[in-house]
Amino acid sequence: ETGVTQTPRHLVMGMTNKKSLKCEQHLGHNAMYWYKQSAKKPLELMFVYNFKEQTENNSVPSRFSPECPNSSHLFLHLHTLQPEDSALYLCASSPPRTGGNQPQHFGDGTRLSIL
Amino acid sequence: GESVGLHLPTLSVQEGDNSIINCAYSNSASDYFIWYKQESGKGPQFIIDIRSNMDKRQGQRVTVLLNKTVKHLSLQIAATQPGDSAVYFCAENINDYKLSFGAGTTVTVRA
Repeated sequence: ETGVTQTPRHLVMGMTNKKSLKCEQHLGHNAMYWYKQSAKKPLELMFVYNFKEQTENNSVPSRFSPECPNSSHLFLHLHTLQPEDSALYLCASSPPRTGGNQPQHFGDGTRLSIL
Repeated sequence: GESVGLHLPTLSVQEGDNSIINCAYSNSASDYFIWYKQESGKGPQFIIDIRSNMDKRQGQRVTVLLNKTVKHLSLQIAATQPGDSAVYFCAENINDYKLSFGAGTTVTVRA
């Protein structure tokens, strides 16, 4: 059972569509993350938000646009995606690092397929 | 490039036996490491973590060993069960909130 909820679980879209992925965490964490998981590859960090402020953009193309309105919600807006963007998109959250490192907790992801 | 890697992409183990999953990392400054388990159709699930000031940490049926001299991390699962079948990832904290993940080892438990 996860405290990080992602919707939708599956999404099929054309290259000209606009869609958004949603992530919500109920763990009281302050940091939220977007990752891309492709087959046979390590998780790729896309974006990091800490207390609603973006602290990391890992050279992600502008067709991916994140939004973090508060510490509990994270969105990934998608526009004009390419077939190679088909992947599992994972959201994670973590608590403040006061007192040391803490693990990130993941949602179950959105499986995205680009036609 | 990738700073964390796993030695073997797949591991087949007999039910009831112990499993050992290995991971090598390259950043000697890393001070925090995590093991995750990912089952089919689900996101990575936290198993156990270890800080660099420790060599060993035990959880329920799992033990993580850290060898900083050779930059090696391992996860031992005792009495492997069918529910342990999954992909296992090690992750390394490289700075602030940023983790670097290995490609994963797929563990298959034989009945």
